[in-house]
Amino acid sequence: DTGVSQDPRHKITKRGQNVTFRCDPISEHNRLYWYRQTLGQGPEFLTYFQNEAQLEKSRLLSDRFSAERPKGSFSTLEIQRTEQGDSAMYLCASSLQGVEGYGYTFGSGTRLTVV
Amino acid sequence: AQSVTQPDIHITVSEGASLELRCNYSYGATPYLFWYVQSPGQGLQLLLKYFSGDTLVQGIKGFEAEFKRSQSSFNLRKPSVHWSDAAEYFCAVGARANAGKSTFGDGTTLTVKP
Repeated sequence: DTGVSQDPRHKITKRGQNVTFRCDPISEHNRLYWYRQTLGQGPEFLTYFQNEAQLEKSRLLSDRFSAERPKGSFSTLEIQRTEQGDSAMYLCASSLQGVEGYGYTFGSGTRLTVV
Repeated sequence: AQSVTQPDIHITVSEGASLELRCNYSYGATPYLFWYVQSPGQGLQLLLKYFSGDTLVQGIKGFEAEFKRSQSSFNLRKPSVHWSDAAEYFCAVGARANAGKSTFGDGTTLTVKP
């Protein structure tokens, strides 16, 4: 297993455009999380899935953000009508339900720059 | 609601010196506690975790941390720092109610002087 993969690593987009990021978790992990990290801050929770079900969404996640995890495998995070305030590192992590005490495995992140 | 405070934004230590990074948490019961390390432009790597049992936990790269319930603290320590330890360190608290979500502090940046 190669760990958690995120694609792309970097994305530069113009304000108002839509962007989509992909995350491939560790194959045996049934929980998948999205976090957002801005400079000088710790990761902020956005949403998480257990298998294909989206169990929680942060109030940080406006209607322009949507996430999916079809078939409980990879996940996508889409941002519509991007704004400059969306510029951040978007981190994906996975874990195994019932063993949250074992912590997350993170991907390397997707850095989004909105110009 | 759970929260984490890392009081030190930036710490500088000399190579070979000891290190302690502070972490205080707020949670209504006994939480899961974690320390992660992040190198520039990278994701986070789990250093160690506490979820039950011995309050002194050992992690990777020679790090350890001690859970002190009375002080709501989970400080990270290393007896002798190496130049490669320079990075940003995040403390996180996770709920035991099977929610899975972790809350992170804002991190401490460690600089190692030669």
